[in-house]
Amino acid sequence: QKEVEQNSGPLSVPEGAIASLNCTYSDRVSQSFFWYRQYSGKSPELIMSIYSNGDKEDGRFTAQLNKASQYVSLLIRDSQPSDSATYLCAVNSGSARQLTFGSGTQLTVLP
Amino acid sequence: KAGVTQTPRYLIKTRGQQVTLSCSPISGHRSVSWYQQTPGQGLQFLFEYFSETQRNKGNFPGRFSGRQFSNSRSEMNVSTLELGDSALYLCASSQGTSGETQYFGPGTRLLVL
Repeated sequence: QKEVEQNSGPLSVPEGAIASLNCTYSDRVSQSFFWYRQYSGKSPELIMSIYSNGDKEDGRFTAQLNKASQYVSLLIRDSQPSDSATYLCAVNSGSARQLTFGSGTQLTVLP
Repeated sequence: KAGVTQTPRYLIKTRGQQVTLSCSPISGHRSVSWYQQTPGQGLQFLFEYFSETQRNKGNFPGRFSGRQFSNSRSEMNVSTLELGDSALYLCASSQGTSGETQYFGPGTRLLVL
């Protein structure tokens, strides 16, 4: 059973702080990793994808991947109230085209 | 490019009925995946279609089925609806290569009474 675990929320950070979201996965052959943001009542929207070990930055977002530790994280710098949402970690393993999702971490950025 | 579209957006059915949901992928995308999202189980993979063929299937009963047309549009059908089928059904579109990004539509919210 392939599993994706996310740190339990909810997570609250003050405006301007760094929010750190973590995710671990069980399938060692996983190759593709994604972070989606989902606002209440809406569908998931892609924030970042990462395929190689190390960091990948896009604006205020940085994804970090460590395949040896089977760990992927998302850092949000200068958090804004508009970042308040549920963040979903998703993993694609091997040749499968299905995404396995974590349960999500609800983030609240306090003004 | 227009995004993924799903119809209808909201649906209310009663137990025992059947329902058909529709998804139009991003232009040029040939793969359509379907997911079910519920508060208790989160986002779960239903199935994936590419070039009118089901390539992958999740762990759902046979009441859940789908198909894809030559223009890549896809439909999913749920027969003999149960209360537990109440969920947000999401369609995701991609070009069809392994490991690539999937883009989600707005979803169809199904309520079974």
